[in-house]
Amino acid sequence: DAKTTQPPSMDCAEGRAANLPCNHSTISGNEYVYWYRQIHSQGPQYIIHGLKNNETNEMASLIITEDRKSSTLILPHATLRDTAVYYCIVRINTNAGKSTFGDGTTLTVKP
Amino acid sequence: NAGVMQNPRHLVRRRGQEARLRCSPMKGHSHVYWYRQLPEEGLKFMVYLQKENIIDESGMPKERFSAEFPKEGPSILRIQQVVRGDSAAYFCASSPAPAGLSGNEQFFGPGTRLTVL
Repeated sequence: DAKTTQPPSMDCAEGRAANLPCNHSTISGNEYVYWYRQIHSQGPQYIIHGLKNNETNEMASLIITEDRKSSTLILPHATLRDTAVYYCIVRINTNAGKSTFGDGTTLTVKP
Repeated sequence: NAGVMQNPRHLVRRRGQEARLRCSPMKGHSHVYWYRQLPEEGLKFMVYLQKENIIDESGMPKERFSAEFPKEGPSILRIQQVVRGDSAAYFCASSPAPAGLSGNEQFFGPGTRLTVL
């Protein structure tokens, strides 16, 4: 699986959009981009994933650049409960099961 | 639909004892994954099992650690002769099909926090 690079930490004001970047410059054509988050001491929570098109669900939007070398997770209206570590993962679309988690970005939403 | 369940949530063992961690996947899920998270670190993959079979154990330490997912009952992660370095949070995840395939997400449990005295 391709390696990802994320900033170690970010702050966001409550109610504003949080934009979390991820670099995956060595991504290959059959690798998906996944985002998870881990709120303190809890199990990771799936947020969203995509291949090359932008995706949106009730939690977030995922913007993937045309060359697929980077992506941005957008939380449109961050709340204090969105404070967590956000992990960007790239995973090949095969029967392989494991996810390789990096260090993630610690997002702190401030009032 | 209940989520992934893990028990116990907290486990304290003395050095040399055995630790057994249990994971009940979500209903209808036959694929189970175990991850370990050391203090202040990210999650590290340990093992991937499908009912009665170990699919990928590339992240498992070579000694003292074993995992099973029997036809009936929960998946068990077993750590023999625990040492202080085994103190960590152990998370289990499940999916209805191999998680590598798009759309088959891993749903994580709340974790078991193992403390070795």
